[in-house]
Amino acid sequence: EAQVTQNPRYLITVTGKKLTVTCSQNMNHEYMSWYRQDPGLGLRQIYYSMNVEVTDKGDVPEGYKVSRKEKRNFPLILESPSPNQTSLYFCASSFLGGSSLFFGEGSRLTVL
Amino acid sequence: AQSVAQPEDQVNVAEGNPLTVKCTYSVSGNPYLFWYVQYPNRGLQFLLKYITGDNLVKGSYGFEAEFNKSQTSFHLKKPSALVSDSALYFCAVDGANNLFFGTGTRLTVIP
Repeated sequence: EAQVTQNPRYLITVTGKKLTVTCSQNMNHEYMSWYRQDPGLGLRQIYYSMNVEVTDKGDVPEGYKVSRKEKRNFPLILESPSPNQTSLYFCASSFLGGSSLFFGEGSRLTVL
Repeated sequence: AQSVAQPEDQVNVAEGNPLTVKCTYSVSGNPYLFWYVQYPNRGLQFLLKYITGDNLVKGSYGFEAEFNKSQTSFHLKKPSALVSDSALYFCAVDGANNLFFGTGTRLTVIP
């Protein structure tokens, strides 16, 4: 089954404790992206990647890191989480060139 | 720069009535436009897209959207709303291999 898998789905953590949200896709997509969803703000892009070892900043990259060492994986790293990073995070992937995005089920992160 | 506007945060419609969810866009060049739907506690799901060709695009679950270049709009429509259509709808525009999303419109279909 074609899917984008995110883990964990829910996480409560404390300020400053490093965490990683994993994302994996099984569709051989070149493009992967992370978004955060906040009420009234819609989806805002954090980072994206057009292929292995190619990553770029989106609209709200501050406080986040990513890596793309393999085509299927695109982890989101919060080195020192802060309460303003409390949000719902989505990973998505697609082929390049106007293809539709496949989304993961989301990861709800709370930073206390 | 690419951008998308969804002017209505909330749309209410009675079951069986036609529905419209509005979207306007700003993009340089020819736009690739998308609609996605999000059900509670789920990720976004693709509904339909416009790349080129016929201005009326048909998608999943009986939805369709009309591309209007002169009004820079891409409104989502359905002839007869179902209660199960109640969800959050996002319009998006593709700009250089990146999707820019609107802020979303919550559709509530009233039985």
